[in-house]
Amino acid sequence: QQQVKQSPQSLIVQKGGIPIINCAYENTAFDYFPWYQQFPGKGPALLIAIRPDVSEKKEGRFTISFNKSAKQFSLHIMDSQPGDSATYFCARNSGNTPLVFGKGTRLSVIA
Amino acid sequence: NAGVMQNPRHLVRRRGQEARLRCSPMKGHSHVYWYRQLPEEGLKFMVYLQKENIIDESGMPKERFSAEFPKEGPSILRIQQVVRGDSAAYFCASSPTGVGAINEQFFGPGTRLTVL
Repeated sequence: QQQVKQSPQSLIVQKGGIPIINCAYENTAFDYFPWYQQFPGKGPALLIAIRPDVSEKKEGRFTISFNKSAKQFSLHIMDSQPGDSATYFCARNSGNTPLVFGKGTRLSVIA
Repeated sequence: NAGVMQNPRHLVRRRGQEARLRCSPMKGHSHVYWYRQLPEEGLKFMVYLQKENIIDESGMPKERFSAEFPKEGPSILRIQQVVRGDSAAYFCASSPTGVGAINEQFFGPGTRLTVL
């Protein structure tokens, strides 16, 4: 299976800071790049997703930036809050095929 | 509109017993996916099913694991003769029918299996 490399593994930011999580993929034959948020003891929840025909997508405080030439995409969280503390997973897939996930980034936002 | 339902939420089995995990997809979804998550790790794909068909089982261990999605009723992930290494959280996801490039998967709350 094609891999998605996610970094950093963990991240600590102050409240109000802008954590950035990065993911890199191996080829361009994919149509959909979602991000999932997971709180302890819960299932992953779809947060925001992007297709490679756009370079940026914003939903509230969450922004995905997509760099097709570098085969990278990243998640930015504006004005981060303690309630954003969770594990974030990037993923990729094409059509009705299985999602391949990055290994996750554990974010802690401290007050 | 209820989300993806999984039961039981917690399951404890002794080594050698069988574990049955159930997943009811969201209404109108006919694609079901099972993932396994080990502590402090990401989600590993196991199997992808549509009604009465296994589409992709490339992530499923060759022995002791099986999955089904019957015409009626929930999808079942079955683990026979469980071993301690099977202890993990098992998540089910579903996506709507139809064609297209977007595969928006919605996850259930998971079943946490503990093997003693």
